[in-house]
Amino acid sequence: SYELTQPPSVSVSPGQTARITCSGDALPKKYAYWYQQKSGQAPVLVIYEDSKRPSGIPERFSGSSSGTMATLTISGAQVEDEADYYCYSTDSSGNLWVFGGGTKLTVL
Amino acid sequence: EVQLVESGGGLVKPGGSLRLSCAASGFTFSNAWMSWVRQAPGKGLEWVGRIKSKTDGGTTDYAAPVKGRFTISRDDSKNTLYLQMNSLKTEDTAVYYCTTGAEVWGQGTTVTVSS
Repeated sequence: SYELTQPPSVSVSPGQTARITCSGDALPKKYAYWYQQKSGQAPVLVIYEDSKRPSGIPERFSGSSSGTMATLTISGAQVEDEADYYCYSTDSSGNLWVFGGGTKLTVL
Repeated sequence: EVQLVESGGGLVKPGGSLRLSCAASGFTFSNAWMSWVRQAPGKGLEWVGRIKSKTDGGTTDYAAPVKGRFTISRDDSKNTLYLQMNSLKTEDTAVYYCTTGAEVWGQGTTVTVSS
């Protein structure tokens, strides 16, 4: 079965840049999506199609993808960015979707 | 306003069945590919399965842990998505979300499988 691999945790100080990676064999040909989830809430899409930002998402959130790795970057992370972040993509067939294991971002 | 509202969650015994519903509004539901995603207590998000729009064939795909036990269907006349869950196991305990697979998510409905 297809897997996406994320680091379990990332920690930065306020104002620093946080980078969360996601690796998967199909990422060279399939888009990555990134979700933010705060405790007790539904996920919120912060990046779609590798690098596009939905309306209402702050500009400090950006995404990129190169080879088998996608990266979510939060430039100038703020305390309110503390959350779990999940990458989401599909296998090479395009029919089976999968989430990464999630990364807990701590900003303090 | 674009909205998804899940319902039908509850407590069920192992081996039992449950049907979840997801009512859609504010967008053209019949054109949307819809997915179910679940989250077990204290765990990460898990894709359950997806149904394509009827114009794209209306076919379904499922994650391995639920394949053969869960069935996704849709009623475009009612703007409603369904998840029929059979042969439930304790490990199916989770919050179940319906989603367009991108920006639009429901608030989730809780399914607890326990004796």
